[in-house]
Amino acid sequence: DSGVTQTPKHLITATGQRVTLRCSPRSGDLSVYWYQQSLDQGLQFLIQYYNGEERAKGNILERFSAQQFPDLHSELNLSSLELGDSALYFCASSPHLGTQYFGPGTRLTVL
Amino acid sequence: AQTVTQSQPEMSVQEAETVTLSCTYDTSESDYYLFWYKQPPSRQMILVIRQEAYKQQNATENRFSVNFQKAAKSFSLKISDSQLGDAAMYFCAYFPTGTASKLTFGTGTRLQVTL
Repeated sequence: DSGVTQTPKHLITATGQRVTLRCSPRSGDLSVYWYQQSLDQGLQFLIQYYNGEERAKGNILERFSAQQFPDLHSELNLSSLELGDSALYFCASSPHLGTQYFGPGTRLTVL
Repeated sequence: AQTVTQSQPEMSVQEAETVTLSCTYDTSESDYYLFWYKQPPSRQMILVIRQEAYKQQNATENRFSVNFQKAAKSFSLKISDSQLGDAAMYFCAYFPTGTASKLTFGTGTRLQVTL
């Protein structure tokens, strides 16, 4: 158990819908990262937050957004969902510039 | 741009034997970390081992060790006394130590452990 929690574990929804994925980092970790793992794209970095502020952006679509709250938990919002958004979404947390520990992931299926 | 290459899509090892997974990376940075993560069928990403680029000594964690060659930009993982539970996808990852840094992953090597 990495200490990072993600909810829900599984999510099945329809095209055009909006979903929210939630992540709670390890106690004391200020950085939260979001990654997408799909079959054809591998593991792709989406976005990083540090202590509530956005620090880095990767290959994140405009339909996706994220935020980190004062209690350090983070949410990833995915809207106008398409079939191609089906993937495993990971959250990872770390101390500043430290090793990233991954949550169990949320498996999103868009039908 | 930093890239990480794992040239072995699949590897197989017999139980109790030793196997080495290869990883090369490309960077112009001098300070960075390298990691190996394991992803078993549960899909959980599990940290196996970490190497700081400024350390010449190769990292070791129980049966797992690395061969870090900074000049060659090579970072291989050796698994000794392989066990059935080692069967998984293994990802090599690179992490520069800048303030806005992300993990860059290789494409993974699927390790099969046979009896």
